[in-house]
Amino acid sequence: NAGVMQNPRHLVRRRGQEARLRCSPMKGHSHVYWYRQLPEEGLKFMVYLQKENIIDESGMPKERFSAEFPKEGPSILRIQQVVRGDSAAYFCASSPRLGISGNTIYFGEGSWLTVV
Amino acid sequence: AQTVTQSQPEMSVQEAETVTLSCTYDTSESDYYLFWYKQPPSRQMILVIRQEAYKQQNATENRFSVNFQKAAKSFSLKISDSQLGDAAMYFCAYKGTVDSNYQLIWGAGTKLIIKP
Repeated sequence: NAGVMQNPRHLVRRRGQEARLRCSPMKGHSHVYWYRQLPEEGLKFMVYLQKENIIDESGMPKERFSAEFPKEGPSILRIQQVVRGDSAAYFCASSPRLGISGNTIYFGEGSWLTVV
Repeated sequence: AQTVTQSQPEMSVQEAETVTLSCTYDTSESDYYLFWYKQPPSRQMILVIRQEAYKQQNATENRFSVNFQKAAKSFSLKISDSQLGDAAMYFCAYKGTVDSNYQLIWGAGTKLIIKP
């Protein structure tokens, strides 16, 4: 059973370009979460999605950032017009469903975005 | 709002010895979950151990065990017989069971160095 798959692992973008990060959850998981990790810090919640629905995007910057989890295909975190401050590791995680409190969230290996 | 504090930015231990990493948290909830995650140089986020707050028994996973003190809101991780492969960043995380119970709240991490 493959784990949470993220790609690309490493992405370099020039300021002003767009970055697209993809995440395929574990098989059977319908909940996806995106977290951001800045250097020397812990992870910060960005957004929680279910298929075709954004449940909570309270951790997403108001501008330039968007996320989707379509009916078919991976979840996409999109960053438009990237700036140097967007350089970070972006982790995707998934879980089977929310009904069982405390069900463990499984993380992907992260995508490292570097803005030059 | 819940917070998680790891007061040790860095710890070192001799190979084969025991080390304890500290974590304290603040919450008004009575039911919640606590996790320790390991992030090795590969930067993958790996679940080490989890503890349900309603359980009095401390969780154990092979060489890893926790000392969960609910009243003191303390959740330390003990690593016995330290191995070179244990070298990593260790993050403590909290997950509630009410409002926004899908979010993990993270500490800033402790860098663990294993001396051969």
